[in-house]
Amino acid sequence: QQPVQSPQAVILREGEDAVINCSSSKALYSVHWYRQKHGEAPVFLMILLKGGEQKGHEKISASFNEKKQQSSLYLTASQLSYSGTYFCGTGTQGAQKLVFGQGTRLTINP
Amino acid sequence: GAVVSQHPSWVICKSGTSVKIECRSLDFQATTMFWYRQFPKQSLMLMATSNEGSKATYEQGVEKDKFLINHASLTLSTLTVTSAHPEDSSFYICSASLNRGYETQYFGPGTRLLVL
Repeated sequence: QQPVQSPQAVILREGEDAVINCSSSKALYSVHWYRQKHGEAPVFLMILLKGGEQKGHEKISASFNEKKQQSSLYLTASQLSYSGTYFCGTGTQGAQKLVFGQGTRLTINP
Repeated sequence: GAVVSQHPSWVICKSGTSVKIECRSLDFQATTMFWYRQFPKQSLMLMATSNEGSKATYEQGVEKDKFLINHASLTLSTLTVTSAHPEDSSFYICSASLNRGYETQYFGPGTRLLVL
């Protein structure tokens, strides 16, 4: 089943923070976060493999609560370049494939 | 590192013709490649999983005779859309992964297919 992302869309001003959530009804082995700009392919941001793991990449970080089967992506002091659609991809134990959420469209205005 | 290319990036064809899309991992050996389809403003829908040297595993509802996948080497997978029709028009994206898919997937730039 497809994980559920929230919110579906968010509009920010440059410098503001955002949180994007990803929730699954299945037990998760991994959560992968990607950003896709219009007309382009998704770009890998980070992968979380352990429960409770938090990883960071510049001003973008993420957490993974294995027990709640949820992950959150945190974008702090957003920049114009952060605009795009963010997808979480969830992996389950023993499965090769990822199932992607419906995406969260982030718009950063000057 | 982890660069994946796709060719062609754009293709326009007439209804009834076949189209081949190539996906290459340029700087790593991809034991597993995945093929996705994406409609405007929608999510990535997995079509099939392709392990090198094995037959592809297709997702439910994807016609294996229409979407032929070949993964003959660790750096190349191809998707052939046979007898394409206008409803096959979409954005096709491949991804490649080490470790038989249990790690990060790196996406190619995608191929836009328009069937007239």
